[in-house]
Amino acid sequence: EVQLVESGGRLVQPGGSLRLSCAASGFTLSVYDMHWVRQAAGKGLEWVSTIGSAGDTYYAASASRFTISREDAKNSLFLQMNNLRAGDTAVYYCARDREGGMDVWGQGTTVTVSS
Amino acid sequence: QSALTQPASVSGSPGQSITISCTGTSSDVGAYKYVSWYQQHPGKAPKFMIYEVSNRPSGVSDRFYGSKSGNTASLTISGLREEDEADYYCCSYTSSNTWVFGGGTRLTVL
Repeated sequence: EVQLVESGGRLVQPGGSLRLSCAASGFTLSVYDMHWVRQAAGKGLEWVSTIGSAGDTYYAASASRFTISREDAKNSLFLQMNNLRAGDTAVYYCARDREGGMDVWGQGTTVTVSS
Repeated sequence: QSALTQPASVSGSPGQSITISCTGTSSDVGAYKYVSWYQQHPGKAPKFMIYEVSNRPSGVSDRFYGSKSGNTASLTISGLREEDEADYYCCSYTSSNTWVFGGGTRLTVL
């Protein structure tokens, strides 16, 4: 079964750092473009970052403090988030790209930035 | 990059058809075929409904139809069912090599 499972979300103080993980199963993550998308409570979806199959990376303007990466040996995707702010509080989803759409989504991991 | 513009809410009765619009610019919706649509029920992850403007993934009902004209994409749902009640989001690739979502539309089945 094709599946994505996120982890790493937790309560963190403003200015802190967090590394989110997304473990893929049922497919080889490195051959696909992969995305991070977030959703604040009661709000809409917001694209955060993409890593291409060639390793090229792209970020939303709001994600300048973030770094997307992957580890092929672990078949996993990561999002390193630094200098976190209250506005980064959201559920973070990883998603697989298929022909310009996001066809497989994880269940999400919750990041809360608060003192 | 500003969010694509969607109506905040739409409604319809069972069996009816509704259309949700998604308006962008000549730098996103109008420029690329990479427009997709997602359905999200409360507390759930988004579900992939339409890709490349009008293509349905395997398993998605043919009651869901996507189209585009100029800078506006549309999702039409025919034969409305109670289970269609959800939030719907459009998404487009942009000329800045980024992606942008619409603000989302709450569909109510009366």
